[in-house]
Amino acid sequence: NAGVTQTPKFRVLKTGQSMTLLCAQDMNHEYMYWYRQDPGMGLRLIHYSVGEGTTAKGEVPDGYNVSRLKKQNFLLGLESAAPSQTSVYFCASSYGPRTSGADTQYFGPGTRLTVL
Amino acid sequence: SQQGEEDPQALSIQEGENATMNCSYKTSINNLQWYRQNSGRGLVHLILIRSNEREKHSGRLRVTLDTSKKSSSLLITASRAADTASYFCATDAISSGSARQLTFGSGTQLTVLP
Repeated sequence: NAGVTQTPKFRVLKTGQSMTLLCAQDMNHEYMYWYRQDPGMGLRLIHYSVGEGTTAKGEVPDGYNVSRLKKQNFLLGLESAAPSQTSVYFCASSYGPRTSGADTQYFGPGTRLTVL
Repeated sequence: SQQGEEDPQALSIQEGENATMNCSYKTSINNLQWYRQNSGRGLVHLILIRSNEREKHSGRLRVTLDTSKKSSSLLITASRAADTASYFCATDAISSGSARQLTFGSGTQLTVLP
């Protein structure tokens, strides 16, 4: 099992450019998440999905869009990148509603994005 | 705003010593989890403690939870240089419902000196 993989690992964008980050998981997890991590801070939830075809906003959704067309993939899009979106982006997945409360989340290795 | 806040922000100890990190949170939770992040890597789950549990062990890790004080502690015994990493607590607020969202603290940077 590869677990959770993210593509690309690094990217540099100019202000106003667009890009899509891809997250893939091979654990048949229902739930998937996108976080951003800024220096000295914990992770902040951008968007999440509780199943194929469904998405919802997290704590910091502005400037991002997501799609979950296939259960194993969760895409994060930046339509018009801004310097404030310079960050490390992590994808995570979890089994979903098999227990009361949040289940363990499995994280990808991260994508380091710089917006100039 | 962050639900969980770790204390201290940074901790430096000698190999073989114990390391204790604390986490405080604000709202009622279903469970609390601890994660480790090595430099430049993703987070790795360490241990989960449910709201009806007070203490849990896993290898050299001991986690306590005090729901009346809304706090948790992570103890790493007999630390090793390989334990050098950032440690995050994450809470699953009851109010998050079926979303199963976790809210992460800002982390404790642990350095274990050989």
